[in-house]
Amino acid sequence: GQSLEQPSEVTAVEGAIVQINCTYQTSGFYGLSWYQQHDGGAPTFLSYNALDGLEETGRFSSFLSRSDSYGYLLLQELQMKDSASYFCAVRAYNTDKLIFGTGTRLQVFP
Amino acid sequence: DVKVTQSSRYLVKRTGEKVFLECVQDMDHENMFWYRQDPGLGLRLIYFSYDVKMKEKGDIPEGYSVSREKKERFSLILESASTNQTSMYLCASSTPLVAGTDTQYFGPGTRLTVL
Repeated sequence: GQSLEQPSEVTAVEGAIVQINCTYQTSGFYGLSWYQQHDGGAPTFLSYNALDGLEETGRFSSFLSRSDSYGYLLLQELQMKDSASYFCAVRAYNTDKLIFGTGTRLQVFP
Repeated sequence: DVKVTQSSRYLVKRTGEKVFLECVQDMDHENMFWYRQDPGLGLRLIYFSYDVKMKEKGDIPEGYSVSREKKERFSLILESASTNQTSMYLCASSTPLVAGTDTQYFGPGTRLTVL
């Protein structure tokens, strides 16, 4: 089977850096995605790692290591608006469906 | 911008009723998906469709069916609603995987309560 594990909750203060980890058990997949979901809102796409290494998009970076079955989302210069749930997801080979992690709720405090 | 719309934001139904949840996307996407989201369980795939009239079961299809008669529209049907189907239902669409990106676009969700 395939599963992705994330911490259920992370807290941090404004301006800090936080890392949300995603460990997975899955055979062969195309890449690791991250989605953000604010309370009451729809998930929105944040980033995608097709290859090992770090992808940077503004304050957000995402990392993938296939050899370690591990990835993370790094949020820098945290802002109150970053308070949301974050989901990692993978697409297994030969399918168009995503397998989502259980999500990490990030709370940013002033 | 891709737009995925769902017919209702909130819906209240009674046990045993037949329920239709509609989803429409305007970007000519081949793939469409129905998820349910419950606290602590993340997003769980109910059904997906990769073409008109094509459907595949997801992880939790029991108690649900789907219909895709047109490319832009994907309907989720609860044949006989039960209280354990009270949940947030999210529709999404995507293109087949393209190198360098893998994005699903989600609708705003329908919060269904079954009494």
